[in-house]
Amino acid sequence: DAKTTQPPSMDCAEGRAANLPCNHSTISGNEYVYWYRQIHSQGPQYIIHGLKNNETNEMASLIITEDRKSSTLILPHATLRDTAVYYCIVSERHGNKLVFGAGTILRVKS
Amino acid sequence: SAVISQKPSRDICQRGTSLTIQCQVDSQVTMMFWYRQQPGQSLTLIATANQGSEATYESGFVIDKFPISRPNLTFSTLTVSNMSPEDSSIYLCSVDRADYGYTFGSGTRLTVV
Repeated sequence: DAKTTQPPSMDCAEGRAANLPCNHSTISGNEYVYWYRQIHSQGPQYIIHGLKNNETNEMASLIITEDRKSSTLILPHATLRDTAVYYCIVSERHGNKLVFGAGTILRVKS
Repeated sequence: SAVISQKPSRDICQRGTSLTIQCQVDSQVTMMFWYRQQPGQSLTLIATANQGSEATYESGFVIDKFPISRPNLTFSTLTVSNMSPEDSSIYLCSVDRADYGYTFGSGTRLTVV
């Protein structure tokens, strides 16, 4: 079973920030938080991952609470092409299987 | 960073037949993962394939139905055997790209009629 809980769907206006929450209250000390997205009919795409500290890359920012029991993926300026299913996954680093939950359907609207 | 080529991209097969899906990676990787995505559902891990050893199957998946080969560090195949309409899904392979997360192939869309 997936170790994360995400809202089933969210809407966001184009150009605004999209904030996608994830609960992972049973995360263990050596597990990372990964975010992937799947645009219709494509394979999942890696977005970002983190352990304790907040992370930022060219795609998004990841904010992890101090107790590590929840996190938020931030897409700073959502576009229509960001419409996808977003998956939050916790896993040990390297070579461990990823267990996908249901994810959040993000709809970016003009 | 690893690039994955997965073939075929789609196929329509008769029930009772088998289909072999190929996954080619452009760099050597220790483990390869095979997933199934049923219509409207999330991804479910089928098995983990290590080079030189038997694949490790997840609960609900058996080797007779989904035999896997891993002849070297850049290639793997998944066979869907004795297919029924319930096997209609997207099948994806994946590899670990170390600091860049896991890379997924573009998937094989299988329809069994």
